[in-house]
Amino acid sequence: DTGVSQDPRHKITKRGQNVTFRCDPISEHNRLYWYRQTLGQGPEFLTYFQNEAQLEKSRLLSDRFSAERPKGSFSTLEIQRTEQGDSAMYLCASSSKGRDTGELFFGEGSRLTVL
Amino acid sequence: QKEVEQDPGPLSVPEGAIVSLNCTYSNSAFQYFMWYRQYSRKGPELLMYTYSSGNKEDGRFTAQVDKSSKYISLFIRDSQPSDSATYLCAMSAYGGGTSYGKLTFGQGTILTVHP
Repeated sequence: DTGVSQDPRHKITKRGQNVTFRCDPISEHNRLYWYRQTLGQGPEFLTYFQNEAQLEKSRLLSDRFSAERPKGSFSTLEIQRTEQGDSAMYLCASSSKGRDTGELFFGEGSRLTVL
Repeated sequence: QKEVEQDPGPLSVPEGAIVSLNCTYSNSAFQYFMWYRQYSRKGPELLMYTYSSGNKEDGRFTAQVDKSSKYISLFIRDSQPSDSATYLCAMSAYGGGTSYGKLTFGQGTILTVHP
């Protein structure tokens, strides 16, 4: 069963460094989402792709954040000049076009710790 | 005030108990209501999905939505230690270019079922 996979699972970095996370969605899913979850909180929406097009971005996604989904397959989320406030779990989720219900399949997340 | 409010608990119950989890919300545009379960250090997984008001049952789980009161509930019957997890309510609205997958989550309720 090939679910949503994320890499790396855990990244520790120093403040000011750049980090990049990768997400491989379920192969037949054309919609891909990034969420951020801090300790003790529910996930918060960051951005959404349909195929390769980035259709929506949250105000949470500052200029230091950029997400791409070249060729509509895997996606990357890059954070430049990391800050301690960026420490969180970054979750990727995917869904198929035929399931317009909000049913998302989440990966296990990439945990970022900024020292 | 958050759009979705959920009592974080924690909630501790004996095995076999009936568990009631609740969320309130303020956005009348929400049409899709979901409950996700999240085990420690894992991504959320969808438990129940409901469109608009009404009840939905799946095995030991029952989801209720009361749109007039802006209140949703999840009931777990005959709770088991394996049900110990964080339960997240989530909601979405559709329209104006917003995806169904742009979910607004509650804070999550930590549930422990002890033998």
